[in-house]
Amino acid sequence: DQQVKQNSPSLSVQEGRISILNCDYTNSMFDYFLWYKKYPAEGPTFLISISSIKDKNEDGRFTVFLNKSAKHLSLHIVPSQPGDSAVYFCAAYLTGANSKLTFGKGITLSVRP
Amino acid sequence: GAVVSQHPSWVICKSGTSVKIECRSLDFQATTMFWYRQFPKQSLMLMATSNEGSKATYEQGVEKDKFLINHASLTLSTLTVTSAHPEDSSFYICSARDPKGFRETQYFGPGTRLLVL
Repeated sequence: DQQVKQNSPSLSVQEGRISILNCDYTNSMFDYFLWYKKYPAEGPTFLISISSIKDKNEDGRFTVFLNKSAKHLSLHIVPSQPGDSAVYFCAAYLTGANSKLTFGKGITLSVRP
Repeated sequence: GAVVSQHPSWVICKSGTSVKIECRSLDFQATTMFWYRQFPKQSLMLMATSNEGSKATYEQGVEKDKFLINHASLTLSTLTVTSAHPEDSSFYICSARDPKGFRETQYFGPGTRLLVL
């Protein structure tokens, strides 16, 4: 059962425009969410995170929004740059014993020059 | 950010052989390391959680006798794929949790691509 879902496998946007990457989750007990960026044949790199007590977190061009009632979060990249082209993984965390990150399948973002 | 290395970056081996993959945290001590496996166009699947000085905790469906994990020091965890078969071919990624870092931010290694012929 996929507890973290990234239903769109890919997204293509024009350079300079906004990229919106969506993520849905089913477990309402998740209390911390992260976005990772991954290039081919490399490990993921941490991008931005948000606690469940917040609904927005911003870091430069990256903003993550969390809608707990809808169990939905999104990553906004403004403005999008060609170097942002990568796979983006949404991950969720549940604080507690034996806690671990649960990843979505990832979204491939292509930013066209 | 913190740096995690993996070695080797890729390996090709014959069916039946064993392969060891190392994961090192270079600038911090990691009491907990994680091993993931990723198939093409799939999510990162957690295989096991490795705690320094104790036995690893394996996820359901992961054979602990096939995927041996050793976390002998605060900076090194190893994954040994024993008697590898073609279906074990995959991209293996480790991560380490920095205890001084913020909550659950894990730092990932660059991954090891394994091809079993």
